[in-house]
Amino acid sequence: AQKITQTQPGMFVQEKEAVTLDCTYDTSDPSYGLFWYKQPSSGEMIFLIYQGSYDQQNATEGRYSLNFQKARKSANLVISASQLGDSAMYFCAMREGPPSASKIIFGSGTRLSIRP
Amino acid sequence: GAGVSQSPSNKVTEKGKDVELRCDPISGHTALYWYRQSLGQGLEFLIYFQGNSAPDKSGLPSDRFSAERTGGSVSTLTIQRTQQEDSAVYLCASSPRTGPNTEAFFGQGTRLTVV
Repeated sequence: AQKITQTQPGMFVQEKEAVTLDCTYDTSDPSYGLFWYKQPSSGEMIFLIYQGSYDQQNATEGRYSLNFQKARKSANLVISASQLGDSAMYFCAMREGPPSASKIIFGSGTRLSIRP
Repeated sequence: GAGVSQSPSNKVTEKGKDVELRCDPISGHTALYWYRQSLGQGLEFLIYFQGNSAPDKSGLPSDRFSAERTGGSVSTLTIQRTQQEDSAVYLCASSPRTGPNTEAFFGQGTRLTVV
């Protein structure tokens, strides 16, 4: 069965510092995808970054990078040079292949607060 | 449309009444998902559609919950005989194809309050 674990309910970080949000996952399927979403106080879900299980390199999108350690089944999100606007809930998610089992499962989230 | 559209954005209903929540996915997206998010909590998977069929209904909390999708497009989530514990934000998402490397695009959600 799929499982996503985020062990940090909340984090406080000083503006301009880098921050790492932890995510571990459990799956027996060799083909899967990992996602990170941001949910600000407005409630919308914003897609940030994707990592495929067969990708050789860690994904990067601007200030976001994904530290993918396949053997440890971890997919931590790294935000460089944090900004006040980064304050939000962050969710790690996973989808397994094949298409017949395509639901996306989310972790419980981490609330990130950036201090000025 | 430009994005996933959900209606209504807010719904207040009396306990015991039935409610229907609507989701218009992005045009051409074959997969559609429903999630429930209680205050301050994560996203609870309810059901997903591939076209008009629902391969996975495992997340529906009880037989009071049902969903359908017609024409491979609009989906309706129905909650019968609502209870106070049904109060939550119901989120809909769609993606252009299934498979592991496709993100889901979310609507703004319907905030349901059962009084």
